[in-house]
Amino acid sequence: GIQVEQSPPDLILQEGANSTLRCNFSDSVNNLQWFHQNPWGQLINLFYIPSGTKQNGRLSATTVATERYSLLYISSSQTTDSGVYFCAVGVWGTALIFGKGTTLSVSS
Amino acid sequence: DAGVIQSPRHEVTEMGQEVTLRCKPISGHNSLFWYRQTMMRGLELLIYFNNNVPIDDSGMPEDRFSAKMPNASFSTLKIQPSEPRDSAVYFCASSLSGGYTFGSGTRLTVV
Repeated sequence: GIQVEQSPPDLILQEGANSTLRCNFSDSVNNLQWFHQNPWGQLINLFYIPSGTKQNGRLSATTVATERYSLLYISSSQTTDSGVYFCAVGVWGTALIFGKGTTLSVSS
Repeated sequence: DAGVIQSPRHEVTEMGQEVTLRCKPISGHNSLFWYRQTMMRGLELLIYFNNNVPIDDSGMPEDRFSAKMPNASFSTLKIQPSEPRDSAVYFCASSLSGGYTFGSGTRLTVV
């Protein structure tokens, strides 16, 4: 099956800093999504981005499908950004496969 | 829309008992997924339904686990008999050819 690797596994930031999270995948996909799991355990869909670039406020994501990676950018981080960020990939007709996540801690 | 609704939020049960987890997907979504999250294994797919039909159940651990989707608005995941190693957070998600929406999860503890 498709392998999903996320880096870094852990990230500690001061409030206001910027960060880049990376997701590499081992095979062609046509479905890629980024999720945030907050400290209460809730999984929130951030982006559906099988290719191209999208932005939503301080967050943006870029997927280069031909090179099999995606990047999630967080600018001017806030304490509420803390949690685990998951990348998940798949192909149509199958369910998403999740990476192990990047744990982000933002301190004030 | 109220989102994906799971019940119960927490369940504590004794080993050997039957456990039933419930999920109501978002109205109009045609795909439903059950995932399990543990520290050791992360988020892993248990089963995936499309238009109420099970498409991929290769993640169901063993015969003790079963899932049903009798109609487009309801699904259950049953564990019988439950074992301590089943302790985990069980998530349900739904989708309509695009982004997944997850429920709040059921935290299951088997003692």
